[in-house]
Amino acid sequence: GQSLEQPSEVTAVEGAIVQINCTYQTSGFYGLSWYQQHDGGAPTFLSYNALDGLEETGRFSSFLSRSDSYGYLLLQELQMKDSASYFCAVPNSGNTPLVFGKGTRLSVIA
Amino acid sequence: ETGVTQSPTHLIKTRGQQVTLRCSSQSGHNTVSWYQQALGQGPQFIFQYYREEENGRGNFPPRFSGLQFPNYSSELNVNALELDDSALYLCASSRTSDEQYFGPGTRLTVT
Repeated sequence: GQSLEQPSEVTAVEGAIVQINCTYQTSGFYGLSWYQQHDGGAPTFLSYNALDGLEETGRFSSFLSRSDSYGYLLLQELQMKDSASYFCAVPNSGNTPLVFGKGTRLSVIA
Repeated sequence: ETGVTQSPTHLIKTRGQQVTLRCSSQSGHNTVSWYQQALGQGPQFIFQYYREEENGRGNFPPRFSGLQFPNYSSELNVNALELDDSALYLCASSRTSDEQYFGPGTRLTVT
């Protein structure tokens, strides 16, 4: 089976940088995804890493190390609107569906 | 391009009743997955449909069942509702394995 571990809560200051880590245990690995979910909203896709290294999309970057079964989401120039829950997820097989971590609740403070 | 839609947005049912939730997938997406999300938890996979056939199932009892229609819309049915079934039910459509597009969810409360 698949399992993912991520911190339950993180607090950071507006304008700062925050890193949310995710470690996973999988019977097969097909990539690591990150989703953002605001309170009362649906998860929205942020990024996907299939290969080792850093993927950058605007203020958000995601990193993967397959040898360490580890990845992280990096959020730069934090804004208040970034306050949300962030989930790492892996496919259960070569295709969907996804197995999600329990999520990291990010609070951005002034 | 229309996104994923779900109905209803909120629903209150009594223990033992049955419920049907509906999902319209994003245009061009032939795969629909359903997830249950309890408060403070990540979404848990219920099952997936691909071209009207069940294509995978999570650790949920048979009283959770589903359908996918020729237009790729989908239904989730839950029989004999239990209090623990209270959750946000999310539908996600996809075309590739890289990215799933989630609907806004249906908040089900079982009393």
